[in-house]
Amino acid sequence: AIRMTQSPSSFSASTGDRVTITCRASQGISSYLAWYQQKPGKAPKLLIYAASTLQSGVPSRFSGSGSGTDFTLTISCLQSEDFATYYCQQYYSYPLTFGQGTKVEIK
Amino acid sequence: EVQLVESGGGLVQPGRSLRLSCTASGFTFGDYAMSWFRQAPGKGLEWVGFIRSKAYGGTTEYAASVKGRFTISRDDSKSIAYLQMNSLKTEDTAVYYCTRDIGIAVAVLYFDYWGQGTLVTVSS
Repeated sequence: AIRMTQSPSSFSASTGDRVTITCRASQGISSYLAWYQQKPGKAPKLLIYAASTLQSGVPSRFSGSGSGTDFTLTISCLQSEDFATYYCQQYYSYPLTFGQGTKVEIK
Repeated sequence: EVQLVESGGGLVQPGRSLRLSCTASGFTFGDYAMSWFRQAPGKGLEWVGFIRSKAYGGTTEYAASVKGRFTISRDDSKSIAYLQMNSLKTEDTAVYYCTRDIGIAVAVLYFDYWGQGTLVTVSS
């Protein structure tokens, strides 16, 4: 199985900050990567797919980049509603696997 | 409006069985692959398995942790996906989510709609 490793596992930030979350795959996955946002007690929400394509309805302050093994999710100007946990997911091969999650907390 | 509603969760003893249902509305259910995920309390997301659309054979794939114990099926006439869970273990305790693949007919394996989840607790 492809192992997905996110960093950091958690961090604190302030509204208006630019934040970056990294996801690394244990082997090359081309651009077969999605990012999800999850708030407590809620289902995940798809933000980005194909590493850099913004899902319809997702604010443009979210962006993704990368290919192969190294990927990033960037939030250009953190808003209050963005405090949540973020997961990357590879869909290059079965089993589908996720990173362990990155929790973005309010500083 | 697309909606996915899971049901069937609850408390079950180890070794017993449980069947979850995912009732879909707001889209042509038979055109989409459907997946199940789970999330243990305080933990991350884990893929359980998925079922392709009938156009692609309605075949299934499973995570190693559930293969041979869990079975996913679908009833397109009722717009319902099922997760039959047998020989349940305490480590199967989780919130189980039903999801819709974003691709029409062919599964592309990322997911634009998720249900609210149903909690399965395996304990004696």
